[in-house]
Amino acid sequence: AQSVTQPDIHITVSEGASLELRCNYSYGATPYLFWYVQSPGQGLQLLLKYFSGDTLVQGIKGFEAEFKRSQSSFNLRKPSVHWSDAAEYFCAVGVTGGFKTIFGAGTRLFVKA
Amino acid sequence: DTGVSQDPRHKITKRGQNVTFRCDPISEHNRLYWYRQTLGQGPEFLTYFQNEAQLEKSRLLSDRFSAERPKGSFSTLEIQRTEQGDSAMYLCASSLTGDYGYTFGSGTRLTVV
Repeated sequence: AQSVTQPDIHITVSEGASLELRCNYSYGATPYLFWYVQSPGQGLQLLLKYFSGDTLVQGIKGFEAEFKRSQSSFNLRKPSVHWSDAAEYFCAVGVTGGFKTIFGAGTRLFVKA
Repeated sequence: DTGVSQDPRHKITKRGQNVTFRCDPISEHNRLYWYRQTLGQGPEFLTYFQNEAQLEKSRLLSDRFSAERPKGSFSTLEIQRTEQGDSAMYLCASSLTGDYGYTFGSGTRLTVV
């Protein structure tokens, strides 16, 4: 069965420091992978997606993610975190056909001054 | 286009009452999805429409839940005889066929007392 694991429930980084959020997935076929961000009380916003091709994908707000098939991972990175990046981040895998997406439990990012 | 709209933003209801939520997707999007998100968890798939046809329903969607999308435009999600376990954020999303990333609405937070 498809699943997504985000090992870190929460992470705290200093403003200006680099960030890496971990994500591991389980899916039998070629995965469609996503990262979404959710601010408190809001819906989710798509940061980036991977379908095929270059394994390093660029997204909005300066985020990037790297797909590593051998490790079944799709980690999210940002070189310099801003206070406005504090939010919940969800990794997700899309079922072939596109009608269903499996989400991880999320990682809450705290940014300290 | 104002994105995906959901109404109401918040709903408090007494156990046993019926509630109905509305979702207006992005106008050109033919796919519409409902997800449920409980505290500390990622969104869980409930159901999916392609145009007006409901093509997939999760086992989470008990017989107290019903969703419609008349004429392939807006959608409604009704919960009959609400239970405290129904308390959650109900998220609507839309997309175009072939586009695996979603645009989410801000959600409807349901509290059953």
